[in-house]
Amino acid sequence: AQSVSQHNHHVILSEAASLELGCNYSYGGTVNLFWYVQYPGQHLQLLLKYFSGDPLVKGIKGFEAEFIKSKFSFNLRKPSVQWSDTAEYFCAVIPYNTDKLIFGTGTRLQVFP
Amino acid sequence: DAMVIQNPRYQVTQFGKPVTLSCSQTLNHNVMYWYQQKSSQAPKLLFHYYDKDFNNEADTPDNFQSRRPNTSFCFLDIRSPGLGDAAMYLCATSRENTDTQYFGPGTRLTVL
Repeated sequence: AQSVSQHNHHVILSEAASLELGCNYSYGGTVNLFWYVQYPGQHLQLLLKYFSGDPLVKGIKGFEAEFIKSKFSFNLRKPSVQWSDTAEYFCAVIPYNTDKLIFGTGTRLQVFP
Repeated sequence: DAMVIQNPRYQVTQFGKPVTLSCSQTLNHNVMYWYQQKSSQAPKLLFHYYDKDFNNEADTPDNFQSRRPNTSFCFLDIRSPGLGDAAMYLCATSRENTDTQYFGPGTRLTVL
């Protein structure tokens, strides 16, 4: 079945540790890719997106993601996390043949000081 | 600032008592979406409007209806809420179907 997979359900890190959250999708053809973040008690916010061009995209708050077409992946990275990065992170995909935003199951990140 | 506004932020209703949630946007986007998000789960699309064209998801229960009287406003009507309908309801907008979606703060619905 077509889907978006986030393999890390819960990640616990200390401040200054590096972060990589995996995201894989199973759609063929053209896709638009997104990472959204949901801080505790707040609404979903866009972290970054990829539509075309340079496969390494930079977002807000020092986050970046790399689109690897051959691996159907769009992993999120941050070299040094902060306590304020504690949140739920959702990878999402819009396949052009569906025009619908399909979310992954989310990864809960906890950063301890 | 241009934004997506949802009212109320918290709604309590009784089992079977109809409830309406509202969403407004100042972004002048063509597309408006309603999602249901249960605790620790991803948002699930219920339906969306492209301008006045209504698009229902196949697995959205008939209990859920929507209205979009104009570009700025969209309503979610739950005709007979059940306990399983307790969730966060998210409104989102985008310029086009494949474009970035901007989310409102959500309405948390409690069903007693």
